[in-house]
Amino acid sequence: SQTIHQWPATLVQPVGSPLSLECTVEGTSNPNLYWYRQAAGRGLQLLFYSVGIGQISSEVPQNLSASRPQDRQFILSSKKLLLSDSGFYLCAWSALYTDTQYFGPGTRLTVL
Amino acid sequence: KQEVTQIPAALSVPEGENLVLNCSFTDSAIYNLQWFRQDPGKGLTSLLLIQSSQREQTSGRLNASLDKSSGRSTLYIAASQPGDSATYLCASTNAGGTSYGKLTFGQGTILTVHP
Repeated sequence: SQTIHQWPATLVQPVGSPLSLECTVEGTSNPNLYWYRQAAGRGLQLLFYSVGIGQISSEVPQNLSASRPQDRQFILSSKKLLLSDSGFYLCAWSALYTDTQYFGPGTRLTVL
Repeated sequence: KQEVTQIPAALSVPEGENLVLNCSFTDSAIYNLQWFRQDPGKGLTSLLLIQSSQREQTSGRLNASLDKSSGRSTLYIAASQPGDSATYLCASTNAGGTSYGKLTFGQGTILTVHP
């Protein structure tokens, strides 16, 4: 069966520090991968999606970037965090040519 | 740009009641409409997915309907239980090219079922 992992589960970082969140999927090949952010009062927002290694599409201009160095690995990064980057970050995957998305457990990021 | 709205924002009911959660969307050109459940501090769990050609989907005590022409979907929960307490989110996948697979979420309905 397929599983999706995210780490760390929680993170507290100072403003201006770098960020790296990791997401990995097991039990499937060539998944579509997604990064979402859930901020208080703003709902779930799609940040990035990827349909293959090295292929990243950004949905909104922001202080973040994403990379997909391997087929089942998706990384969310920032060089310098802002207070507004605080939120709950969710990674998701879907099988190629299917619609249902499966979400990871999330990372709670607090920027102080 | 697709906008998804959920009503009510919060709902509190006694155990055993049947209830309806509402979701509306502005752009009817959708591939599908999905309902998710989110427990506090956790990720999302997919409940039901309705393709644009379908009218409804059922899973156990849950039934989701879709009316594309009016831009509405409803999630019906029968015989609610305290374990149903969670935030329920609906999300649409829009049709066309690069939009494939990308979800637009509503703000969610916080459901509390008390014993």
